Amino acid sequence: DAGVTQTPRHEVAEKGQTIILKCEPVSGHNDLFWYRQTKIQGLELLSYFRSKSLMEDGGAFKDRFKAEMLNSSFSTLKIQPTEPKDSAVYLCASSAGDTQYFGPGTRLLVL
Amino acid sequence: EQQVQQSPASLVLQEAENAELQCSFSIFTNQVQWFYQRPGGRLVSLLYNPSGTKQSGRLTSTTVIKERRSSLHISSSQITDSGTYLCAMEFASNYQLIWGSGTKLIIKP
Repeated sequence: DAGVTQTPRHEVAEKGQTIILKCEPVSGHNDLFWYRQTKIQGLELLSYFRSKSLMEDGGAFKDRFKAEMLNSSFSTLKIQPTEPKDSAVYLCASSAGDTQYFGPGTRLLVL
Repeated sequence: EQQVQQSPASLVLQEAENAELQCSFSIFTNQVQWFYQRPGGRLVSLLYNPSGTKQSGRLTSTTVIKERRSSLHISSSQITDSGTYLCAMEFASNYQLIWGSGTKLIIKP
C-alpha cells in the first residue's frame, strides 16, 4: 500500500484559473479530509467525507472550493476561480477511525 | 480564541538534551494526537493518546483530559528530530481534528 497519494505535487496557476487537485486515500479508509496549510494560519479544514458523504464543507471556504468524492478511492478538490491568497500547500488525509494518514501535499502558487 | 495552544512556539536544544512540548485546549476533548512534520515533508502521526501516558520509543505523551492539556517528551534528542510538532484534538467525536499552530524544534550538534 502506497499510503495517501496526491497529484500534482506542484501547481502554478494564473489568477482566475480553475485548478483540480487529486487524492487517493489509503485503501479501506472511510474518512477523507482536505486541508490547507500555510505558515500563518497553520492547518485549516476544507472538507471532510465519511463513506463518500460530505460531512463538513469548510464554512468560509465554500464559495470557491468544492471537494468531491465520486468513489471510495478517489477525491478531487476544485478551486474556481483561483486567487493569489489561495497559494498554500493542500493536504489530503484519510482515516480508518483512529489517526489520520496524510499525503505529501500539493504546493499551489497562484500568480 | 485559538482552541488549541502549543508552547513553546520554537525550541532550540543541543543534541542529547530532552525536549518537552506542551499543548492545551480551550474545550474538553476525548482524543489528542501528536504529529510531526519535517520542512517540506509529510505530516506523520506520532502518538494517539486519549488519556494517561503513552510511549513510543523515545517519545512519551501524557494527556490529562480533565486539565485540558497534553505534553510530548522527547528523550535524548537527535538532529533528525528537528522539525515541527503539532498537536490536534478531536472535535465532537466525529474524527475531525482541531490543530495547534505547532512547536518548531531545532536540535543542534
